[in-house]
Amino acid sequence: AQSVAQPEDQVNVAEGNPLTVKCTYSVSGNPYLFWYVQYPNRGLQFLLKYITGDNLVKGSYGFEAEFNKSQTSFHLKKPSALVSDSALYFCAVKDTGGFKTIFGAGTRLFVKA
Amino acid sequence: SQTIHQWPATLVQPVGSPLSLECTVEGTSNPNLYWYRQAAGRGLQLLFYSVGIGQISSEVPQNLSASRPQDRQFILSSKKLLLSDSGFYLCAWSQGTGGSGANVLTFGAGSRLTVL
Repeated sequence: AQSVAQPEDQVNVAEGNPLTVKCTYSVSGNPYLFWYVQYPNRGLQFLLKYITGDNLVKGSYGFEAEFNKSQTSFHLKKPSALVSDSALYFCAVKDTGGFKTIFGAGTRLFVKA
Repeated sequence: SQTIHQWPATLVQPVGSPLSLECTVEGTSNPNLYWYRQAAGRGLQLLFYSVGIGQISSEVPQNLSASRPQDRQFILSSKKLLLSDSGFYLCAWSQGTGGSGANVLTFGAGSRLTVL
């Protein structure tokens, strides 16, 4: 069975500084990996995904994520944080052979001006 | 373009009452459909998914059930609500490719259920 761990409940960063939101995963086969963002009282929005190929994936709003197979990690990054990036971020994993997408517990990102 | 509608947006129900949350998708055919629950504004728990009409897979045995009476309609129900059923319920769809794939989930706006 697949699972996702987001070790940080909250990440605080100053505007203009780089940010990293951590994610590790467990899956029996090859993974599809995703990052989604949720703003208050809203549904989730897709940011980016890893299927295969380049370990660095670029997504929406200047976000990128780095896939590391040996460490089973898929950390979300952005070179320069904006106050508007403050939201709840979810890492998710899907087994290439299945239908289910499993989400982590979420990490709340606060960007201070 | 594809759109997903979910209603009602907010619901307050007494313990023991029935529940029906509805989700419809427009602009696509044979989608994979999902119900998730988010408790206390944090992690998402997969409740049910469906890859076709009448095909429902349950992930967590509980007080809820799901049905897919039409290709693009997914309904979450309960005969008698419990306090623990309170939460934010999210419907989602992905392309139904006849199998699995790296298909992105598109979420509805959510339904907030409070059971009193």
